[in-house]
Amino acid sequence: EVQLVESGGGLVQPGGSLRLSCAASGFTFSSYAMLWVRQAPGKGLEYVSAISSNGGITYYANSVKGRFTISRDNSKNTLYLQMGSLRAEDMAVYYCARKKNGDGYFDYWGQGTLVTVSS
Amino acid sequence: EIVMTQSPATLSVSPGERATLSCRASQSLSSNLAWYQQKPGQAPRLLIYGASTRATGIPARFSGSGSGTEFTLTISSLQSEDFAVYYCQQYNNWPLYTFGQGTKLEIK
Repeated sequence: EVQLVESGGGLVQPGGSLRLSCAASGFTFSSYAMLWVRQAPGKGLEYVSAISSNGGITYYANSVKGRFTISRDNSKNTLYLQMGSLRAEDMAVYYCARKKNGDGYFDYWGQGTLVTVSS
Repeated sequence: EIVMTQSPATLSVSPGERATLSCRASQSLSSNLAWYQQKPGQAPRLLIYGASTRATGIPARFSGSGSGTEFTLTISSLQSEDFAVYYCQQYNNWPLYTFGQGTKLEIK
């Protein structure tokens, strides 16, 4: 059974940093591109960042470019999102998801982790 | 960036009736479009991919259609568990994907 479990969310002050993790199981993690999608309170889904299976390709939304870094450790079956210079508008539930191989939709999602940015 | 526009923002439909949700792309996607359902407090769930193929375990009352720039999600006979927010997502060019802003399907 495919499972994605996010962790690392919490309360952080504006300007602070946080690292999210997504532990994957039930599939060959190193064969799949992975991504992060966030959802601010009461808002829609925002595609934030993605990384190819070997880490060679990364993508960032303009809203986080230069502040967030996506990475992965295929030996640990774990996806990361290092978030820096956090702003109030970064407050959201952050979901990790798996991209279907050979296609572009997101076939499995984690349950999400909440990031609160407040002083 | 491909902009995805969903309409309407909110749709009020009675149980047992048909619901039709629309998604328009700012440029042609061929059939590279997915639909997701999200209920309060839950992660999104994949419903449809390739514009018209139901994901595993999705009931037949959900159907997708369209290609190019115009897409539709139809729920043929609404059940209570179908009232949720629906998002379309384009995946025409890796990794430059985008979501629509969502349509909230509410009970009339």
